[in-house]
Amino acid sequence: DTAVSQTPKYLVTQMGNDKSIKCEQNLGHDTMYWYKQDSKKFLKIMFSYNNKELIINETVPNRFSPKSPDKAHLNLHINSLELGDSAVYFCASSQGGSPNQPQHFGDGTRLSIL
Amino acid sequence: AQSVTQLDSQVPVFEEAPVELRCNYSSSVSVYLFWYVQYPNQGLQLLLKYLSGSTLVKGINGFEAEFNKSQTSFHLRKPSVHISDTAEYFCAVTSNRDDKIIFGKGTRLHILP
Repeated sequence: DTAVSQTPKYLVTQMGNDKSIKCEQNLGHDTMYWYKQDSKKFLKIMFSYNNKELIINETVPNRFSPKSPDKAHLNLHINSLELGDSAVYFCASSQGGSPNQPQHFGDGTRLSIL
Repeated sequence: AQSVTQLDSQVPVFEEAPVELRCNYSSSVSVYLFWYVQYPNQGLQLLLKYLSGSTLVKGINGFEAEFNKSQTSFHLRKPSVHISDTAEYFCAVTSNRDDKIIFGKGTRLHILP
């Protein structure tokens, strides 16, 4: 009965490869997010989708491309991986995208670039 | 633009002692404030939130926080901590004028036996 689930949990790959992280939520929320957490635990938003429409696109290299096939899924594809992409990536969701609604987070995908 | 400052990157405290984790925010408009907790190898979970009304809000696991508009603070407190409270704690702010939540840099709560 996991609310927000991400796969894979761990991802180890070489520089230059292309990889995807999948996220699904079963809460019925219509807004989903991707965050990057660096080694110092700093959490930064990358993207936000509301009903499959992109509403937040922070200053993120265009090697990162989110895709939302429906409002329950938000996947993240990363091209040409670089060492600096090593981090924990969190997916989250909330209801209505309203700022007073709390966000529900997945357990993260730990990406390590060799 | 809004911002959140968590003054302490780490707070060591003995088990069963009280704890306060500090959070200050900056905003020109009315805000919504949140505290999230991140246990090791997990995502963030909501502890509590302030939207409006009573300035003292109670959350899960015995935590509470007080919204102080004049001091622009939203400090988190617990009267007696347990070893299971070992985690990273994040303060966060949003408002009706912004479409994204701003997180503080986190405070690591380290419980000493």
